[in-house]
Amino acid sequence: QQQVKQSPQSLIVQKGGISIINCAYENTAFDYFPWYQQFPGKGPALLIAIRPDVSEKKEGRFTISFNKSAKQFSLHIMDSQPGDSATYFCAASKRTGTASKLTFGTGTRLQVTL
Amino acid sequence: DGGITQSPKYLFRKEGQNVTLSCEQNLNHDAMYWYRQDPGQGLRLIYYSQIVNDFQKGDIAEGYSVSREKKESFPLTVTSAQKNPTAFYLCASGSRGRADTQYFGPGTRLTVL
Repeated sequence: QQQVKQSPQSLIVQKGGISIINCAYENTAFDYFPWYQQFPGKGPALLIAIRPDVSEKKEGRFTISFNKSAKQFSLHIMDSQPGDSATYFCAASKRTGTASKLTFGTGTRLQVTL
Repeated sequence: DGGITQSPKYLFRKEGQNVTLSCEQNLNHDAMYWYRQDPGQGLRLIYYSQIVNDFQKGDIAEGYSVSREKKESFPLTVTSAQKNPTAFYLCASGSRGRADTQYFGPGTRLTVL
């Protein structure tokens, strides 16, 4: 059962353009929504995250928009650069004691062209 | 140099053999996690540990085993019972105070020949 659905699977954006990746979740018990960036052969790195009591969070060129009623959230990359070319994963987290369980989307491969 | 280390980077194994993947962290994190990543899929949780000498099964624990004898170390054994072990394995850790945030190691690519 896929609890976090991510789209599109792949995305090609021109340099300077806006990249938009969307995710939807089902379980309302999730209480933290991070985005990870992964380069080939490397581990994922935390990019930005949001809690459901906030509708938007911005860090530099990266913005998360969150719609709690629709159970959807999205990542916007403004002024996309070739160095942003990577795979992006959304995730949803549920606390369990002093740990958390992350459920990941299937990833979006972003290519930023010159 | 703080962080999470995983070794080896690449690992080859014959069918029917058990193999152990190493994960060490010097971040003083209480929680540690193992994930599996397959092409075209997201990461899936295998096991996690909140504290030394304690661990819980994740979503795909069958064919895997772990131990947590030290806070810094959380090795994963891929047993011969795992039907499709070829994958990219990722270890992560998180602190008690910021339990939602997980930091990942560089990964081990396991190939079964």
